[in-house]
Amino acid sequence: QPVLTQSSSASASLGSSVKLTCTLSSGHRSYSVAWHQQQSGKAPRYLMKVEGSGSYNKGSGVPDRFSGSSSGTDRDLAISNLQFEDEADYYCETWDSNTRVFGGGTRLTVL
Amino acid sequence: QVQLVESGGGLVNPGGSLRLSCAASGFTFDNYYMSWIRQAPGKGLEWVSYISSGSSYTTYAASVRGRFTISRDNAKNSLYLQMNSLRADDTAVYYCARDFTGYYADYWGQGTLVTVSS
Repeated sequence: QPVLTQSSSASASLGSSVKLTCTLSSGHRSYSVAWHQQQSGKAPRYLMKVEGSGSYNKGSGVPDRFSGSSSGTDRDLAISNLQFEDEADYYCETWDSNTRVFGGGTRLTVL
Repeated sequence: QVQLVESGGGLVNPGGSLRLSCAASGFTFDNYYMSWIRQAPGKGLEWVSYISSGSSYTTYAASVRGRFTISRDNAKNSLYLQMNSLRADDTAVYYCARDFTGYYADYWGQGTLVTVSS
């Protein structure tokens, strides 16, 4: 089954941009991933699906500041014009024939 | 709008059982796969199980297979998780989620806490 690898933490300044990366295990480079945001003490929220082609489809109400991209086994989530409410844990998720897998999550701090 | 409301969590002794429920509204429930996903205290997300729209297909994470059973009642717009032989490492917030074609969660409930302890 696929494995997803995420950096444990990231930080960026208010108003700047940041890119979070989710790396698929080799042998799964064609897989798509979904990104979820979890603010402190809240339930996760679906942000978008990122395909191997680099195209992405955002969930309802997700701001334009959020975008996705892809390169090789990397499936990226980019956030521009960072706001304090973007401080959260970000998880990627992928799927195989009869299983689902989450990455370990990246904690984003907005300075 | 899509709403998912979990219930049934609580404190249970090791080896005990618990049944979680999820009430769905705001969408055509019997058109969608549904999942349970959990999060241990201070840890990341872990997928538990999902069920097809008509209940014909279910699948489980290895960590719960043989102990947990997912089911649904489309007439009641409800999803269930029967948890037996509970262990301390099953302690977690359990989230109900609507699935996009069984591939990923596109809406999440607020979660219900299950604590397994004597």
